[in-house]
Amino acid sequence: EMQLVESGGGLIQPGGSLRLSCAASEFTFSWHDMHWVRQASGKDLEWVSAIGTMGDKYYSGSVRGRFTISREDDKASLYLQMNNVRPEDTAVYYCARGRGDIRPGPLDDFDLWGPGTLVTVSS
Amino acid sequence: DIQMTQSPSSASASVGDRVTVTCRASQGISNWLAWYQQKPGRAPRLLIFDASTLGGGVPSRFSGSGSGTEFTLTIRSLQPEDSATYYCQQTKSFPLTFGQGTRLEIK
Repeated sequence: EMQLVESGGGLIQPGGSLRLSCAASEFTFSWHDMHWVRQASGKDLEWVSAIGTMGDKYYSGSVRGRFTISREDDKASLYLQMNNVRPEDTAVYYCARGRGDIRPGPLDDFDLWGPGTLVTVSS
Repeated sequence: DIQMTQSPSSASASVGDRVTVTCRASQGISNWLAWYQQKPGRAPRLLIFDASTLGGGVPSRFSGSGSGTEFTLTIRSLQPEDSATYYCQQTKSFPLTFGQGTRLEIK
């Protein structure tokens, strides 16, 4: 069964750093754009970042300059390095697979999601 | 950024009813729109992509329509398991953006 599993979440102080990981299985990871989407408790979904199959990277304005997305295709893994975190970064972070269409780049909807990992930023 | 606005924010309907959720984009997005279903404590599930194409394994009572700036998600013959929050998402341009969600309660 195809799946994504996130890890690395936890409690972190404002200004600190955290690295999230997402392990993919049972599909050809390198063929897909990959994304991070977050959701604060009781709030809406917020797209965070994307990385295309060619390594092109995109960020939301709220995390640009603080977060870095990366991927290792030989390990079927996606990462999100979170630096200088803020209380408003507190959320469940989902790893999501881009469905892909005829357009180049990761302008995607998401056809496979992980269960999410909770990041709490608090002193 | 493209703003996505859903209405209503919440709805209540009975088993067997037909429910319609509307999503409006702040600028034209052609048919680059997806709909998701999310149940409490779970990740979202893709229901509809490209405004009207049913996702894999999604029951045929779900349908989507629209183009440009106005879109609808329709659920025919509502079932108890359809109780969830529904989100629209545009994939026209970065940043990818979601609507604020429509919470659907089954009476």
